[in-house]
Amino acid sequence: KNEVEQSPQNLTAQEGEFITINCSYSVGISALHWLQQHPGGGIVSLFMLSSGKKKHGRLIATINIQEKHSSLHITASHPRDSAVYICAVAVRTSGTYKYIFGTGTRLKVLA
Amino acid sequence: DTGVSQDPRHKITKRGQNVTFRCDPISEHNRLYWYRQTLGQGPEFLTYFQNEAQLEKSRLLSDRFSAERPKGSFSTLEIQRTEQGDSAMYLCASSLAAMGDGQFFGPGTRLTVL
Repeated sequence: KNEVEQSPQNLTAQEGEFITINCSYSVGISALHWLQQHPGGGIVSLFMLSSGKKKHGRLIATINIQEKHSSLHITASHPRDSAVYICAVAVRTSGTYKYIFGTGTRLKVLA
Repeated sequence: DTGVSQDPRHKITKRGQNVTFRCDPISEHNRLYWYRQTLGQGPEFLTYFQNEAQLEKSRLLSDRFSAERPKGSFSTLEIQRTEQGDSAMYLCASSLAAMGDGQFFGPGTRLTVL
C-alpha cells in the first residue's frame, strides 16, 4: 500500500462542475502540498498546508491531520483546469524534509 | 524569470551514452532536490543538497547516476551508460531551509533513451 493515496485516479467533469480530489496518507507529516502538473511536465505549487483550510481563487484545500486526509476542491471548473493534480506530504527525516508523492489525479474538464 | 530552470528541456540519446542535466534553483534557496517521474506516476526522490553538500541519496540512484552542486548554486545530474529504463522526466526543485516555503519545481528535463 502506498503511503500517499489519491482518489480518484482519473476524473472527467463538465465545465462549471464542482470538483473534489482526495488525498489520504499513512505517515506522520509536517505539511501537505498540492501540486498541479500540465502536459509537458512542469509542476506548479498550488497550496502548502499543515492545518485547516486555504483558498486561492477557485481553489480550496483542506486538511484534517487527525484523519490524515486532505481534499482539493475546484469550484466552477474550466477546461484550463485540466491537468494532473498531485498530493505530496512532507515528512521530517534526519534534520530535513522529504516529500512523498501520490500518483496524481488526472482531471479533464470538458467545455 | 526568477523561478527554477532546467536545461535541456528534452534529451534524446542512444543507449550507452552519457547525459548531463542542469538545474538552476531560485537564487536564495539553499536546498536543491532531484526527482524522477515516470509516466503515470508521481515524482520519486533521487537526491538532495543543502548548499554544496549532498546529504541524502535514494537507493534509486544507482552507481551510474551522479549529482553535484559544486558552488552551492546550480546542480548537475549525470547519467552514465544510459539504459532504456532511465527514460523519464527528471525534475529539480529548490527551497529555503525553512519548511514553510515549500519546494518550487522546475519545468523538468524529459529524457528518452532509444
